[in-house]
Amino acid sequence: TAGITQAPTSQILAAGRSMTLRCTQDMRHNAMYWYRQDLGLGLRLIHYSNTAGTTGKGEVPDGYSVSRANTDDFPLTLASAVPSQTSVYFCATKLLWDTDTQYFGPGTRLTVL
Amino acid sequence: AQKITQTQPGMFVQEKEAVTLDCTYDTSDPSYGLFWYKQPSSGEMIFLIYQGSYDQQNATEGRYSLNFQKARKSANLVISASQLGDSAMYFCAMREGPANFGNEKLTFGTGTRLTIIP
Repeated sequence: TAGITQAPTSQILAAGRSMTLRCTQDMRHNAMYWYRQDLGLGLRLIHYSNTAGTTGKGEVPDGYSVSRANTDDFPLTLASAVPSQTSVYFCATKLLWDTDTQYFGPGTRLTVL
Repeated sequence: AQKITQTQPGMFVQEKEAVTLDCTYDTSDPSYGLFWYKQPSSGEMIFLIYQGSYDQQNATEGRYSLNFQKARKSANLVISASQLGDSAMYFCAMREGPANFGNEKLTFGTGTRLTIIP
């Protein structure tokens, strides 16, 4: 996970509040991804970005938004959190045109009460 | 239909024995990639091995090998000579479509929890 940082490590959030999960990489990878991991469901893709300035929806995008203003940062925002968004959130990166492997950050554990 | 199926929620294996973790996949795309990731109790996701759909030989990485049976749509992970440190969750994942065409989204299975017994 070297080169990918996520913040915060964990957070407890009241329902209805907004929150931004941060992901920063120093590997200059083109593509970045946000997944959520829930027990019994594995990891599911929320949003992705193939390059700075572009984003796309994954399997479970509702309730989340992302932006990609530059190569290194890919924040995930919950505008109005709900308890079903309680999960562990992973950011991942990939260098397009070079490797086929996604590398994951350490994760953020979010609890919405 | 599930795109990635891991039928073993948990496995217990004696140390030093070989272990096979099952993964079957479902796709109609002729070009795809298959991945295995390890998630220890600390929570990070660690890439283990990759197999492309057009690769002629099974992928190997140290003690890890991927038993790729294309006709059966299976991509089982084999760990030889298991060690206590292999105890973790293991996830199989698939990329549909050619690599590096902006189709890098991964679909994950629900995982197998492997416990190595001393």
